[in-house]
Amino acid sequence: NAGVTQTPKFRILKIGQSMTLQCTQDMNHNYMYWYRQDPGMGLKLIYYSVGAGITDKGEVPNGYNVSRSTTEDFPLRLELAAPSQTSVYFCASSYKQGAAEAFFGQGTRLTVV
Amino acid sequence: QQQVKQSPQSLIVQKGGISIINCAYENTAFDYFPWYQQFPGKGPALLIAIRPDVSEKKEGRFTISFNKSAKQFSLHIMDSQPGDSATYFCAAKRHDMRFGAGTRLTVKP
Repeated sequence: NAGVTQTPKFRILKIGQSMTLQCTQDMNHNYMYWYRQDPGMGLKLIYYSVGAGITDKGEVPNGYNVSRSTTEDFPLRLELAAPSQTSVYFCASSYKQGAAEAFFGQGTRLTVV
Repeated sequence: QQQVKQSPQSLIVQKGGISIINCAYENTAFDYFPWYQQFPGKGPALLIAIRPDVSEKKEGRFTISFNKSAKQFSLHIMDSQPGDSATYFCAAKRHDMRFGAGTRLTVKP
């Protein structure tokens, strides 16, 4: 079982560049999430989606965009990368709201220089 | 606004001791309270979780205590082992899922 797959695992961006972090899940989960984790810090919710075609902002959405055209995929777009976006990004998915385990990908380590 | 507050930030326990991590939440709409364990370089993995209609849940050496009126919950790790050394996150979930800041646990042999 693949679970939640994130690509790439590592990436270095120059200031002002753009990129898309890919996330796909094969568990037919409706709910998907994007988090960022700064060194020694907790996970901050960037965006989440409750199903295909529906997305909503989390705690720290500025500088990011998402789309959810299929149940499986939930890409995160960074436009005009800034050093403050240097972080580890985690994608997660869950079958439903509330009492359902959220499964995480292995993360994407992004450095903006 | 931090919706989930976690303490302590770090914890050092001797092997065989009890590790206790505390969390408090703001939003009463949350209806699922998981604890995640994270090892360096890995994504978080679910350890144990509780629903607000239950005051305690035990799975092996791990116990969650939940106080709905105080909007607080805690993780107890009994007989802590060096292999338990990791970062632990509490979370609160409904439509979205919010995390505490994490507790870095070190269990000394």
